[in-house]
This record gives sequence, C-alpha cells and structure tokens, in this order.
Amino acid sequence: AQSVTQPDIHITVSEGASLELRCNYSYGATPYLFWYVQSPGQGLQLLLKYFSGDTLVQGIKGFEAEFKRSQSSFNLRKPSVHWSDAAEYFCAVSSGNTPLVFGKGTRLSVIA
Amino acid sequence: EPEVTQTPSHQVTQMGQEVILRCVPISNHLYFYWYRQILGQKVEFLVSFYNNEISEKSEIFDDQFSVERPDGSNFTLKIRSTKLEDSAMYFCASSEQGVTDTQYFGPGTRLTVL
Repeated sequence: AQSVTQPDIHITVSEGASLELRCNYSYGATPYLFWYVQSPGQGLQLLLKYFSGDTLVQGIKGFEAEFKRSQSSFNLRKPSVHWSDAAEYFCAVSSGNTPLVFGKGTRLSVIA
Repeated sequence: EPEVTQTPSHQVTQMGQEVILRCVPISNHLYFYWYRQILGQKVEFLVSFYNNEISEKSEIFDDQFSVERPDGSNFTLKIRSTKLEDSAMYFCASSEQGVTDTQYFGPGTRLTVL
C-alpha cells in the first residue's frame, strides 16, 4: 500500500528565506507525486505534479520539487518565501490508477 | 477561473441524523471525488464517481455513506446516520480525466456531530 510521510508538522521561515518541505513516500513502482497547498478557508490547490521524465518539476507560485527515487523523496522548494505562502502543504502519491494518498501536511508560517 | 463549490460551509447535526453535503463540480469535469480530513489528521479518500456510478471507494465509505449526482450539476454525499467520529472536514473534488489528472478541490464542509 502506498503511504506518504511529511516529517515536519510546522515550519517557520523568514520572509525572503529559502524553503524546503520534506516528503517521503512508500510505493514499489514509479509513483505519481503531487504537492497541494491549502490556504485558510480554501480548498486544496495543486502546486505541481510528477509523473515521469525530468525529475525536477516546476510548479505555480515559484515552487519546484525534485523526485529522488533513491531516497523515495519528493521535496518541495522555493528560493524566496513570501508572506502569502503561509498555508498548509500536502504531499500526495498515487499509482496512476488508485486514489490519491495524502500526507498529514506541513503548516508553513512566515515571519517578517 | 471555474471552481468547485460546496455547501454548506459548516454543518452541525445530532448523532444519528442524516446529513447531505453538496458539491457543484467544474462543469466539463467527468470525475468526482469526496475526501475527508479529521482534525489533525491526513486527508483521506472516500469515494470516486464516474459515469453515474462509483468507480472506487475506501474502507471508510461503508453502508452509511452514499453519493449521488441528482442532476447535471450537483454531486452529493449523504451520511445516513451520523456518528461522533464522522466529525471532519469533507472535501469535494473534480477532474476532467482520471485520478492522475489535476483534481480541483472545493473549500470543504466542516461537519460537526454532537
């Protein structure tokens, strides 16, 4: 069965600093990987997804993620965080024909 | 930009009562989903729906749950006899194609069972 681990429950970064949110997955074959963001009172919005090909994926809002098969990881990065990036971030995995399996999420706080 | 909408935003009900959560998916989407998130826990898949039938459901989606697309726009989740442990945020999502296509999520309905 697939599973996703997001080791960090809450991260605080300063505005303008770089960000990396960790995601590890468990799945035997090549996974389909997703990062979603949830702002307060909003639904989940897709930031980016990886299916195959280039392991560095560019997403919306300046985010990128890198698939590392050897580490079973799909970490989300942003070079310079903005205050509006404060939200909950969810990593998810699918086999391609199975429903999304989500991690517990990482809450990002941004300080001035 | 088209979006998924859900009503109500918050529903409070007594244990044992029936509730219906409503969703309006994006109009040209063919695949519909319900997820839930119990406070402090992960988002969990409940059910997917395509071509007027359930295509997949999780262990959570037992006989107390049902889904329906009563007309061309609405997609509903019914909980027949609510339990305390059904208290959660329920998210509806839709996609044009299957599960690996981008799923667009609604803002959620917070269900509180007393």
